[in-house]
Amino acid sequence: AQSVTQLGSHVSVSEGALVLLRCNYSSSVPPYLFWYVQYPNQGLQLLLKYTSAATLVKGINGFEAEFKKSETSFHLTKPSAHMSDAAEYFCAVSANSGGSNYKLTFGKGTLLTVNP
Amino acid sequence: DAGVTQSPTHLIKTRGQHVTLRCSPISGHKSVSWYQQVLGQGPQFIFQYYEKEERGRGNFPDRFSARQFPNYSSELNVNALLLGDSALYLCASSFFMSGVGTDTQYFGPGTRLTVL
Repeated sequence: AQSVTQLGSHVSVSEGALVLLRCNYSSSVPPYLFWYVQYPNQGLQLLLKYTSAATLVKGINGFEAEFKKSETSFHLTKPSAHMSDAAEYFCAVSANSGGSNYKLTFGKGTLLTVNP
Repeated sequence: DAGVTQSPTHLIKTRGQHVTLRCSPISGHKSVSWYQQVLGQGPQFIFQYYEKEERGRGNFPDRFSARQFPNYSSELNVNALLLGDSALYLCASSFFMSGVGTDTQYFGPGTRLTVL
């Protein structure tokens, strides 16, 4: 079984500041990791995914995440926050384990607020 | 290209009623998954269908059922609605269900169900 913990249900940054959203995972087999963003009253949009190739993954809108196996982490970063980044961010894991690879297991989400 | 579409957008029902939610996947996608997102939480996996067969089921009661049609669209049915079924129901499609769990799931905008 796999699980995801997102540290901090709410993160507030100033426009132009570094964005750091934390995600730790638990998986008994090598995981596949995803970050999704959800704007108000919308579905989920994929930001980036890790599939065991490069450990540093670049996504859309200037976001990137680094897979650290030793720390079981997959934190999301962006060097400079923009007002349009304000949204809820979800980390998710799937794993190639006994046919359960179809299922995404999500964290509880982190609401990002960007202050002018 | 059209993304994942869901209908209706919003729905209000009373306890004990039945509801049917619909989803059309991205053209060419053969796999559809359903997720329930309760306010303030991450999405929870309900079902996955591939080639019209159920391939996975989450920890939901038998009141929840689904099916996939020959054109790969899908319906989620919920019987005997409870107040706790109030949530955003998300549909996601992917090209196919490989054995490595890396297929990206693309989400629709969701159906907001309110049970009174």
